[in-house]
Amino acid sequence: EIVLTQSPGTLSLSPGERATLSCRATQSVSSNYLAWYQQKAGQAPRLLIYGASSRATGIPDRFSGSGSGTDFTLTISRLEPEDFAVYYCQQYGSSPWTFGQGTKVEIK
Amino acid sequence: QVQLQESGPGLVRPWETLSLTCTVSGGSISSYYWTWIRQPPGKGLEWIGNIYYSGTTNYNPSFKSRVIISLDTSKDQFSLKLSSVTAADTAVYYCARMSGYTYGYAGAYYQYNGLDVWGLGTTVTVSS
Repeated sequence: EIVLTQSPGTLSLSPGERATLSCRATQSVSSNYLAWYQQKAGQAPRLLIYGASSRATGIPDRFSGSGSGTDFTLTISRLEPEDFAVYYCQQYGSSPWTFGQGTKVEIK
Repeated sequence: QVQLQESGPGLVRPWETLSLTCTVSGGSISSYYWTWIRQPPGKGLEWIGNIYYSGTTNYNPSFKSRVIISLDTSKDQFSLKLSSVTAADTAVYYCARMSGYTYGYAGAYYQYNGLDVWGLGTTVTVSS
């Protein structure tokens, strides 16, 4: 099973700042099948990025994904008020599909 | 657009079977992988398993002996059954669609594009 470790656990930033979230896998993610999701309290997760770097439909271009192999990054170029949430990475290249433990982006 | 809606009992007794159904509306259940995911209170996401529209299933080994996912294409529904539940199975249960498409000769390969449609989630509590 591929274990995904996200860092940091919590990121305290102000609106307008840049957020950089990390996701590290214990083994290479097949076909770079790595996704990022945003989850707000009481809501279902929302797909932001798939295939490590492709933005999902309707996702603003301030969200970008990068990386390959075992190291992946989600970058939010300029935080908007609605971006403060919990972010999860997920690998779906190997069974069982697994999620990271999440990074909370909070208002500083 | 495609929408998913989970339904089922909100309370299940210990050692009984949890049964949930996900209804797909606004689109066909064909040509995709359909997935169950859960989230215990205050915790992260856990993949339970999925089913392809052909009926092929894939389960998380953590659940394999207790879980069955099935499909009813005539009703555009797929279902989850989790047996011998305990308090540790208390969670919000989500159904979701793994976006993607087949390619290659006779559609032999599948390109996965992330879990792009989710239900709102349903809370299941295991308690006597």
